[in-house]
Amino acid sequence: GAVVSQHPSWVICKSGTSVKIECRSLDFQATTMFWYRQFPKQSLMLMATSNEGSKATYEQGVEKDKFLINHASLTLSTLTVTSAHPEDSSFYICSARVNPSRQATPYGYTFGSGTRLTVV
Amino acid sequence: AQKITQTQPGMFVQEKEAVTLDCTYDTSDPSYGLFWYKQPSSGEMIFLIYQGSYDQQNATEGRYSLNFQKARKSANLVISASQLGDSAMYFCAMREGLPGNTPLVFGKGTRLSVIA
Repeated sequence: GAVVSQHPSWVICKSGTSVKIECRSLDFQATTMFWYRQFPKQSLMLMATSNEGSKATYEQGVEKDKFLINHASLTLSTLTVTSAHPEDSSFYICSARVNPSRQATPYGYTFGSGTRLTVV
Repeated sequence: AQKITQTQPGMFVQEKEAVTLDCTYDTSDPSYGLFWYKQPSSGEMIFLIYQGSYDQQNATEGRYSLNFQKARKSANLVISASQLGDSAMYFCAMREGLPGNTPLVFGKGTRLSVIA
């Protein structure tokens, strides 16, 4: 099936530093990547949609200068949390749009394994 | 208005019993898809079952079945013969419109606890 590899799985960083999260599609081309944030015991909230080769579209209330998304290739999308603060501590997970005709892909969406970010 | 509503923050079920997790949705688009995911404590999203808006029959996948009532806009997940490993968060999600570059919208989730 279509697999998205997300790294790192967890990261601890100091307040004020930047953290980069990578989502790499291993055996398919991900033209679209969705980035979600999940606070403890809450739902997945869409942060932004990125399409290969173009600027990401951010959801209302998400600071695009703080959460930099790059989708420069068909196999790699990155989310950089710049000048991280403790309130940015959360679980970040990417989801790639996959051609639904591809076998063993759950109806067009495949998720990375998530990144747990802790800012101290 | 919320697109996906899950009204049960937590549910308990005895091992080997069946349990129903509720989900209602709101859309004016005639074409949509409904998904259920399981999220264990590790955080990964595990796909369970899918129901398309034009599907005539309720979806089933092993111990999982989806009770799709289109007129009531509900898509409840039924887990039969619960196992201890079923303890996790369960999310209902929706894709609006035809399959394309649209994201899934998630409900707030239901935490299921299976008791031995």
